[in-house]
Amino acid sequence: AQKITQTQPGMFVQEKEAVTLDCTYDTSDPSYGLFWYKQPSSGEMIFLIYQGSYDQQNATEGRYSLNFQKARKSANLVISASQLGDSAMYFCAMRGTGNQFYFGTGTSLTVIP
Amino acid sequence: DVKVTQSSRYLVKRTGEKVFLECVQDMDHENMFWYRQDPGLGLRLIYFSYDVKMKEKGDIPEGYSVSREKKERFSLILESASTNQTSMYLCASSSPGSGINNEQFFGPGTRLTVL
Repeated sequence: AQKITQTQPGMFVQEKEAVTLDCTYDTSDPSYGLFWYKQPSSGEMIFLIYQGSYDQQNATEGRYSLNFQKARKSANLVISASQLGDSAMYFCAMRGTGNQFYFGTGTSLTVIP
Repeated sequence: DVKVTQSSRYLVKRTGEKVFLECVQDMDHENMFWYRQDPGLGLRLIYFSYDVKMKEKGDIPEGYSVSREKKERFSLILESASTNQTSMYLCASSSPGSGINNEQFFGPGTRLTVL
């Protein structure tokens, strides 16, 4: 069965500090993709970063990086130099070789000035 | 600018009403999805469609049906709305499964309240 687990319902970080949002996954697919999405209070889901299961290097996109540890089945999102606009819900998701995506329950991040 | 649009941002309906939520994408994607989002539960898949007139049940299809008559349009139907269907509904689209790096694109969401 495919499953995504996010164990941090809420997180706080000081502005300009780095923060790590945890994500673990379970899949039997040999090939899969891992995604992180941001959902501000406006409600829209914004794609942040992608990591493929065969990618040798951790993905990075600006201030976002994905700490991918395949053996541990974890795909943590690291946000560096947090900004007030980073306050939002963050969802980890996985896609296997089928058409479906599987989402975690999300982490609410609050950046403190 | 690629887009997924949903017919309403906010909707208030009465118990027992038939409710239609429309979703349109302009990316020529084969796959389209309807999710329901509730606090603490994340996104739960209601239905998805991988081609015109094709549909598959997700995790929580009870009380819902869908229609996909055209590639760009995917409709979610609440046959007889109930108060426990009050929620945020998100539509998404993506390219087929062979491209595992193809992310889902989401619409802005519809906040449905059933009184």
